[in-house]
Amino acid sequence: KNEVEQSPQNLTAQEGEFITINCSYSVGISALHWLQQHPGGGIVSLFMLSSGKKKHGRLIATINIQEKHSSLHITASHPRDSAVYICAVTDRRALTFGSGTRLQVQP
Amino acid sequence: DGGITQSPKYLFRKEGQNVTLSCEQNLNHDAMYWYRQDPGQGLRLIYYSQIVNDFQKGDIAEGYSVSREKKESFPLTVTSAQKNPTAFYLCASTGTGDPLAKNIQYFGAGTRLSVL
Repeated sequence: KNEVEQSPQNLTAQEGEFITINCSYSVGISALHWLQQHPGGGIVSLFMLSSGKKKHGRLIATINIQEKHSSLHITASHPRDSAVYICAVTDRRALTFGSGTRLQVQP
Repeated sequence: DGGITQSPKYLFRKEGQNVTLSCEQNLNHDAMYWYRQDPGQGLRLIYYSQIVNDFQKGDIAEGYSVSREKKESFPLTVTSAQKNPTAFYLCASTGTGDPLAKNIQYFGAGTRLSVL
């Protein structure tokens, strides 16, 4: 079993829809990261959180430490949000990554 | 601008050849990392270095080697012992203090390696 599981693997939405991507992990962590990978391959960090909730523009990330679960929400989705969203957790060495959620937002 | 530069963007390797992927950062970060990404899989840790002149194996280090002679540079060599090198390689770095708990990882744009 992978240490970091994401769902869904693929997601297609219409522009304007509210989107939720889920991440569950099975190990103790000090922080959880949400990352965005565009088709060219470059990765950008969206959030790093260890408790509660963070918001940046239309993106909201939440984490429940007791349940070992995090969600990434996108409000009023737009075609430019189309990308792969990756959940990762810190261990003592580096990051352990989920396999990603491929999001396609159609106009 | 500060950031991480990986080169080349695309690289082709012949059978039996060693190739080196470059990673340079001007963020003054102590810790640097190499990850490998295969289609449909999460990134996996190859090697990491938390300080100059020191580095540690990650989960899939076989067939790879690294050096960390300078703070800003962490090159990765894919040796001929790596039988399946075709993948996307990403370099990352984090700052000082408690790098994993407190600081965000910054990523380079990646190098796509293919075998001829």
